[in-house]
Amino acid sequence: QKEVEQNSGPLSVPEGAIASLNCTYSDRGSQSFFWYRQYSGKSPELIMSIYSNGDKEDGRFTAQLNKASQYVSLLIRDSQPSDSATYLCAVRGGGFKTIFGAGTRLFVKA
Amino acid sequence: GAVVSQHPSRVICKSGTSVKIECRSLDFQATTMFWYRQFPKQSLMLMATSNEGSKATYEQGVEKDKFLINHASLTLSTLTVTSAHPEDSSFYICSAPGLAGGPTDTQYFGPGTRLTVL
Repeated sequence: QKEVEQNSGPLSVPEGAIASLNCTYSDRGSQSFFWYRQYSGKSPELIMSIYSNGDKEDGRFTAQLNKASQYVSLLIRDSQPSDSATYLCAVRGGGFKTIFGAGTRLFVKA
Repeated sequence: GAVVSQHPSRVICKSGTSVKIECRSLDFQATTMFWYRQFPKQSLMLMATSNEGSKATYEQGVEKDKFLINHASLTLSTLTVTSAHPEDSSFYICSAPGLAGGPTDTQYFGPGTRLTVL
């Protein structure tokens, strides 16, 4: 059974702080890794994608991938109340089938 | 960017009735579409892969006779929940890959359909 594990949270951080979200996956053949943000009652929206080991930065977001450890993370710098949402880690193998983690709920306190 | 629509956005039905949900790719062709289900405070669970012109591929534990999928054209896939029961109440989301369907292609999600079975 291919799995994607996340801490369900909630993770609470003050406004302006760095929020760190973590994810592990079981399938070593996974090739693509994604972070989605989902607001309550809405469908997921893509925040970051990462395909190779190391860091990838996009604005306030940095994704980190370590395939040897089967670990992917998302850092949100200068967290804002509007960042409060559930963050889903998603992993894809050689095809297009994507497996999602259960999500981490993030609360950014003003 | 590519847009995927779903209709209806919300549906309430009586137990035992059937409900059809449509998923359309509005400005691109999608030979493959994916149907997910999400229960409250849980993640998206892939139900099935819809393939244009051929049978859908269902995930383990998903009843193909209960969740009928028809991918009749390159822009439309439908999910019919037959004889719906309260335990089928969930958020149903479809998605489509933007290009050839490879591992790095963007996956576009529809806005979701909230099904409530009374």
